[in-house]
Amino acid sequence: EAGVAQSPRYKIIEKRQSVAFWCNPISGHATLYWYQQILGQGPKLLIQFQNNGVVDDSQLPKDRFSAERLKGVDSTLKIQPAKLEDSAVYLCASSKWDVYEQYFGPGTRLTVT
Amino acid sequence: ELKVEQNPLFLSMQEGKNYTIYCNYSTTSDRLYWYRQDPGKSLESLFVLLSNGAVKQEGRLMASLDTKARLSTLHITAAVHDLSATYFCSYNNDMRFGAGTRLTVKP
Repeated sequence: EAGVAQSPRYKIIEKRQSVAFWCNPISGHATLYWYQQILGQGPKLLIQFQNNGVVDDSQLPKDRFSAERLKGVDSTLKIQPAKLEDSAVYLCASSKWDVYEQYFGPGTRLTVT
Repeated sequence: ELKVEQNPLFLSMQEGKNYTIYCNYSTTSDRLYWYRQDPGKSLESLFVLLSNGAVKQEGRLMASLDTKARLSTLHITAAVHDLSATYFCSYNNDMRFGAGTRLTVKP
């Protein structure tokens, strides 16, 4: 079975620019998560989708971050405008339902200069 | 405040030795997860603990859950170099992760 796909793998942008990340979860997985992992820290949940509805976005900085999951499959995470402190790895994960273990994608490493 | 605390944060151990990593969490949770992360890589699921008293074992790793104490442990038996990685625990209420335990196993 194919794993969680993410693109791009690396991105370098200047502050105040915009960036978007894409995630394709494992087929049949209803739940999709976006995490931000800053170097040396544990992942921080940004948003959780169940099918195409938002379950939890309490830690998403909504003034600059947005996410959507169209048709309950692929998802995109956007940052606009980016700040230096947004430099991190952005991880996408999926699970069959929210009670099950999560499968993580390879991540997108974002550097904001 | 919802918190997940792991200790130790750094662990250097010799091959063949045993050790335990602890994960304390601040609110009731009936599910606890353990993940492994190799340097520069993504996270890999190790264990899902679904109820009080749950114990799961895979190779040299054994995880347990005590929901009354709000404590999970990850026990390493006869460590080998391949176990060197960062280990995270997480609970289901808001998918909050601990800071991770960076394990280094030396020959």
